[in-house]
Amino acid sequence: DQQVKQNSPSLSVQEGRISILNCDYTNSMFDYFLWYKKYPAEGPTFLISISSIKDKNEDGRFTVFLNKSAKHLSLHIVPSQPGDSAVYFCAASGWRDDKIIFGKGTRLHILP
Amino acid sequence: SQTIHQWPATLVQPVGSPLSLECTVEGTSNPNLYWYRQAAGRGLQLLFYSVGIGQISSEVPQNLSASRPQDRQFILSSKKLLLSDSGFYLCAWSLEARELFFGEGSRLTVL
Repeated sequence: DQQVKQNSPSLSVQEGRISILNCDYTNSMFDYFLWYKKYPAEGPTFLISISSIKDKNEDGRFTVFLNKSAKHLSLHIVPSQPGDSAVYFCAASGWRDDKIIFGKGTRLHILP
Repeated sequence: SQTIHQWPATLVQPVGSPLSLECTVEGTSNPNLYWYRQAAGRGLQLLFYSVGIGQISSEVPQNLSASRPQDRQFILSSKKLLLSDSGFYLCAWSLEARELFFGEGSRLTVL
């Protein structure tokens, strides 16, 4: 059973526009959510996180929104840049749970 | 500062051969350690995690095993590899299961 779902395998966005990546989760015990960026043949790098006590967290061009009632979070990248082309993974963990569960990822293509 | 290293970076192994991937973390004590695998179309699949020496939790039934002989060392092994074991293996560490820090990854091809 997939507890973290990224239903869009890929997304193409024009350079300079907003990229919106979506993630849904099923486990109501999750209380911490993370986004990672991954280039081919490299380990993922941390982008931004959000605790369930918040509904928004912002860091530069990256903003994560959390809708607990819908069990949905999204990552907004504004403005999108060519270097943002990568695979983005959504991840979640629960309080006092040592597991961190990832979605299948969304490949983002930034078009010139 | 903390660093994580895993090796080898690339290996090609025949079906039925053994496997050993090693991961070490520096600059922190008593981290949680994780092995993930990225296979085509499967995203990042959690294989094993460990909260302390000798403590291993397995997430996916398979012919792989993990061991943690020292606080900052995590080893992924197999006695006999299958074709389906091919993939990109990632070691990671965290404190209290929050932000994860990943190694460079190991590309395994089983022929």
